[in-house]
Amino acid sequence: SQELEQSPQSLIVQEGKNLTINCTSSKTLYGLYWYKQKYGEGLIFLMMLQKGGEEKSHEKITAKLDEKKQQSSLHITASQPSHAGIYLCGADGSNNAGNMLTFGGGTRLMVKP
Amino acid sequence: DVKVTQSSRYLVKRTGEKVFLECVQDMDHENMFWYRQDPGLGLRLIYFSYDVKMKEKGDIPEGYSVSREKKERFSLILESASTNQTSMYLCASSPGLAGSTQYFGPGTRLTVL
Repeated sequence: SQELEQSPQSLIVQEGKNLTINCTSSKTLYGLYWYKQKYGEGLIFLMMLQKGGEEKSHEKITAKLDEKKQQSSLHITASQPSHAGIYLCGADGSNNAGNMLTFGGGTRLMVKP
Repeated sequence: DVKVTQSSRYLVKRTGEKVFLECVQDMDHENMFWYRQDPGLGLRLIYFSYDVKMKEKGDIPEGYSVSREKKERFSLILESASTNQTSMYLCASSPGLAGSTQYFGPGTRLTVL
């Protein structure tokens, strides 16, 4: 089965600093999803990557998928307290419509004002 | 916008009680999922359904059952709740197309005393 490893597990940054979260898969990814979860709430979809080398941005968050499609990074520029939460990567390990995702353990981000 | 709702945000039950968690989506999605989320273990898939009355076991189905009598509603049932089922339960739905995103509900935090 596919396993996803996220690093770091937790991160404390000063407001305004940049940060990167990594997600590494043991197998080739057909789809890589990034979600954000505020404490005690559901997951909010951020971005999905499918092609090797793909990069997507939304406001100050950029996600990349490497050429081999086994690693993704999420980069936040000039972090703000509103970026605080748990970031989860989810992977679709097969190219079918079952759409079952495996999730990483999550990265807990805290932004100090 | 896709809307996934869950019947309760917080629930407290006693050991041995039968517990129903309900999830409703309003986008005519084919697939629906139930996860539990625990610190250090991430999101783990309990069951999913790809059509009315169809269900498949996920990674941790023991102690749970599901029901999908209507396309928009997916219920998770704990036949006899136990303390180790205290957790955050998250429901999700997706259109059932390869590469489609899962949309999550706000979660139900269940405590079993």
